[in-house]
Amino acid sequence: QVQLVQSGAEVKKPGASVTVSCKASGYTFAIYGINWVRQAPGQGLEWMGWISPYNGNTHYPQKLQGRVTMTTDTSTSTAYMELKSLRSDDTALYYCARDRSGDETFDYWGQGTLVTVSS
Amino acid sequence: DIVMTQTPLSSPVTLGQPASISCRSSQSLAHSDGNTYLSWLQQRPGQPPRVLIYKISKRFSGVPDRFSGSGAGTDFTLKISRVEAEDVAIYYCMQGTQFPFTFGGGTKVEIK
Repeated sequence: QVQLVQSGAEVKKPGASVTVSCKASGYTFAIYGINWVRQAPGQGLEWMGWISPYNGNTHYPQKLQGRVTMTTDTSTSTAYMELKSLRSDDTALYYCARDRSGDETFDYWGQGTLVTVSS
Repeated sequence: DIVMTQTPLSSPVTLGQPASISCRSSQSLAHSDGNTYLSWLQQRPGQPPRVLIYKISKRFSGVPDRFSGSGAGTDFTLKISRVEAEDVAIYYCMQGTQFPFTFGGGTKVEIK
């Protein structure tokens, strides 16, 4: 069965960077894109970007350009999301979600990783 | 960016009664390939979101048939024919037609 298992919670200071991992299993990793979505406490969903494990192509929203980097390692079926120059408003639950290619929806989600930014 | 606007913010419903959520996009979600990439997601308390409906009206595997989606262009609706206790959640619409993908603000369905 398809599973996306994310790395554990992180606590970071403002200005630091964080990397969240998302290990996929149960399907051919290379042929499905991975999206990252975050949710601030008590807030809605915010799309952070998409990566194709097949060729490394990415799309990021303008708001996060320059601060977010998404990568994948096909040898371990793992996707990574690095966010730099952390601020307090980056405190959120971060999710990876598989892109159901051709339907442009997110069919499987990781369990979420809480990133807390606090001095 | 395409702005997704959901109404209402909150929907108190009696068990067994229907519920309806609207989602409006700031521009048409019709893609040049002929599809419209509008999805509905459900997020129960303490859980990640899960997809219920994609491409306006296609029910995802395992989703009960009391959930249905409809609409076209810029106006879309999610209907729950008879609300059950397990349907208490926040519902989000999402567009996948154009980068950046965007979500509606969410509608909380709760039991009266």
